[in-house]
Amino acid sequence: KNQVEQSPQSLIILEGKNCTLQCNYTVSPFSNLRWYKQDTGRGPVSLTIMTFSENTKSNGRYTATLDADTKQSSLHITASQLSDSASYICVVSAPITSGTYKYIFGTGTRLKVLA
Amino acid sequence: DAGVIQSPRHEVTEMGQEVTLRCKPISGHDYLFWYRQTMMRGLELLIYFNNNVPIDDSGMPEDRFSAKMPNASFSTLKIQPSEPRDSAVYFCASSRTGYTGELFFGEGSRLTVL
Repeated sequence: KNQVEQSPQSLIILEGKNCTLQCNYTVSPFSNLRWYKQDTGRGPVSLTIMTFSENTKSNGRYTATLDADTKQSSLHITASQLSDSASYICVVSAPITSGTYKYIFGTGTRLKVLA
Repeated sequence: DAGVIQSPRHEVTEMGQEVTLRCKPISGHDYLFWYRQTMMRGLELLIYFNNNVPIDDSGMPEDRFSAKMPNASFSTLKIQPSEPRDSAVYFCASSRTGYTGELFFGEGSRLTVL
């Protein structure tokens, strides 16, 4: 069964600290993996996309990694800011037929950054 | 571009009433998705359209739910009759290239059924 699991479920850190969020998936075959950030009361917004051949990708203070062999991805946030407080959702896309794909969503990690 | 526009942002209704949620996708996007988000189950795909045609509605909970896309710039999700367990945030998203492309989400419609 195609699944995406995220850990931890929630996380509290102090402003300025680093943190790493984890995403493990059992989706096969695999097309790409995206990390989305969802602020409270808003819709999710894409942070990064990782394809099979990519290991690391950065977007400002956000760095995503992908290990396609172990089917694991991580999102590392450097020097956290209060505005990083949000839910982070890992989304894996999988081809199901020729030209048709399916998105599998993780349940997200809730991050709270304290001053 | 204004992004994906949803209305209403908040809806409170009584059990048994009809609810209609609306969505305007980003111009030029040929895929439109309806999702439901709850604390317990996260984001769940309800239905998606390609070029205004419903492709996969297997996520629609039951016959009380229906969705239409009469043209490329408008879609509705209707619940009739509504039940308390339908309370959730409903998101509309659009994409230019389908599943391999980035999903652009609206701000969501928070539905509360009393």
